[in-house]
Formats: sequence, C-alpha cells, structure tokens
Amino acid sequence: KQEVTQIPAALSVPEGENLVLNCSFTDSAIYNLQWFRQDPGKGLTSLLLIQSSQREQTSGRLNASLDKSSGRSTLYIAASQPGDSATYLCAPNNAGNMLTFGGGTRLMVKP
Amino acid sequence: DAGVIQSPRHEVTEMGQEVTLRCKPISGHNSLFWYRQTMMRGLELLIYFNNNVPIDDSGMPEDRFSAKMPNASFSTLKIQPSEPRDSAVYFCASSLAGAKNIQYFGAGTRLSVL
Repeated sequence: KQEVTQIPAALSVPEGENLVLNCSFTDSAIYNLQWFRQDPGKGLTSLLLIQSSQREQTSGRLNASLDKSSGRSTLYIAASQPGDSATYLCAPNNAGNMLTFGGGTRLMVKP
Repeated sequence: DAGVIQSPRHEVTEMGQEVTLRCKPISGHNSLFWYRQTMMRGLELLIYFNNNVPIDDSGMPEDRFSAKMPNASFSTLKIQPSEPRDSAVYFCASSLAGAKNIQYFGAGTRLSVL
C-alpha cells in the first residue's frame, strides 16, 4: 500500500523567499504524481502533473521535480507571495487513476 | 465549463438519518472519484467509477456507504444510517480516463452528523 509523507507539515516564511516542499512515497511504481493546492474551505486545484518519465515540470513560479527510483518529489516555489498561502498536497498515482494523498504542507507567506 | 459541481455545500443531520451527496462531473469526463477528508486521516479515496461502472470501492468504509452513477453526468454518495464519525468533507473529482490525466475537484460537501 502506497504511503505518502510530506515535510514540513507547516511552514511560515516572509514574502519573497524561495522555498521547497518535500514529498516522499514508498511505492515507486507510479504512473505520475500531481501537486495540488487547497485553500481553506475549498476544493483542490491541480498545480502540476509530472509523468513518471519526466524529471521536472514547470508552471510559472512553480517547479516540480520527480525522482521515481528514490520515491521523492519536490515542489519549488520561487519568490513566494502572500497569495501562495495555502495547503499543498502531493499525490502519486499507482494504479490507473487512483491517487494517494500526503498529509499536506500548510504554507503561510507573510507580507 | 462550470467544473465539478457538488451539492449540497453543507449538510447538518442527526445520527441515524440518511444522507445523500450529489456530484455532476465535468462534461466529457468519463472517470469519477469520491474522496473523504478528515483532520485525522487526510484525503482518502472512497470509490472510483470509469464509464459509470464502479472500478474500485475498497476505500468505502462500511456497508452504510453506497455510491451510484446512473449516467455520465450524475453520481450520488449515500450514507445510511449516518453516524457522528462520518462527519468530514466529501469531495468529488472527475477526469478523462487514463493514468495520465489530471483530476479536477469539486468544492466539496461539508457533512456534520450530530
């Protein structure tokens, strides 16, 4: 059974900092991995999907990397802004389209 | 497109009552997922449909939970009878079938069972 761990659980940084969120998973036989953002009281918004054959995926200030063999992914956020404050979730996809979610990293970016 | 639409947004009920949560997936999507989110257990997949057929319901916690997808544009998750430990946020998501496709989530239904 896939187990997903996200570190840190919470992070508070001043505006403008570059930061890295970490995700590790136990079963490396994945099709892809998605990073999501969740705002309080809201649903999940997909940020990036990185296929198992890819090493990196970029969207604006976000960059996700994947090291499938070691069971790790990172989400890099450049020049953080208060609007980036949210919970970030990673979810590897092992079987068809079934995602297993980590516990999330709760990010606060202070003005 | 309006995205994945869930109703109701909030539901408060008493223990023992039947609860029905509803989901309309994005038009053209043929995979639909029900998830539950709690503080203790995080986000868990309950059941997954492909082309209206349940593919994996191993995450459904008990027989009190049932899900149906009578057509491509509608799904329900029913809890009967409800218990206080069922209190959670229930999310529906949809995608095109296939492992490479992004899942799009609804805003969720916050269920409180008193």
